[in-house]
Amino acid sequence: GDSVTQMEGPVTLSEEAFLTINCTYTATGYPSLFWYVQYPGEGLQLLLKATKADDKGSNKGFEATYRKETTSFHLEKGSVQVSDSAVYFCALSELYKLSFGAGTTVTVRA
Amino acid sequence: DTAVSQTPKYLVTQMGNDKSIKCEQNLGHDTMYWYKQDSKKFLKIMFSYNNKELIINETVPNRFSPKSPDKAHLNLHINSLELGDSAVYFCASSHQHEASSFHNEQFFGPGTRLTVL
Repeated sequence: GDSVTQMEGPVTLSEEAFLTINCTYTATGYPSLFWYVQYPGEGLQLLLKATKADDKGSNKGFEATYRKETTSFHLEKGSVQVSDSAVYFCALSELYKLSFGAGTTVTVRA
Repeated sequence: DTAVSQTPKYLVTQMGNDKSIKCEQNLGHDTMYWYKQDSKKFLKIMFSYNNKELIINETVPNRFSPKSPDKAHLNLHINSLELGDSAVYFCASSHQHEASSFHNEQFFGPGTRLTVL
């Protein structure tokens, strides 16, 4: 079946550093791709999404581009803040479900 | 207003007991889900319901029985709880586009942390 492989963490950064979390996928069709974020003690929130090849999703300074040729959807942010400390999940949509990557824990230090 | 709500937020119980988790969404969505998040944060689909009908049962033991009394509710009942059932359970909902189901953004509840002693 379809699957997502995500860069494993944990990742520790200083404030204002550049963040990249790699995500690649395998799919037989043309799924939509998502990044969800889970802040400590909370549920999952949608961070951004892309529904077709070459789409760029963006939100809160985060960006990811749906690359069909490399089957990737890497998450980037140019300058992280302490408040960005969370677990980030890459996910793809299949029929009536989302398949998630393993999650990447990001800690940003002041 | 809470979009997807779950009760209880925490549930601590003994092995062998039966317990239920409730989920409600006020988004008008027609599809609801249960996911399990283990201690390593890995998330896996358990069930999907569309218009109150079971669509996906992802090899979940039959001790787990979801029930959807209407499109806004999807409850999860667990019989004979085992230590391995300890996890965080997330409910989610989405609207399924008529033409395709591949663009569904899912909205998640806050989770229920189940601890089996």
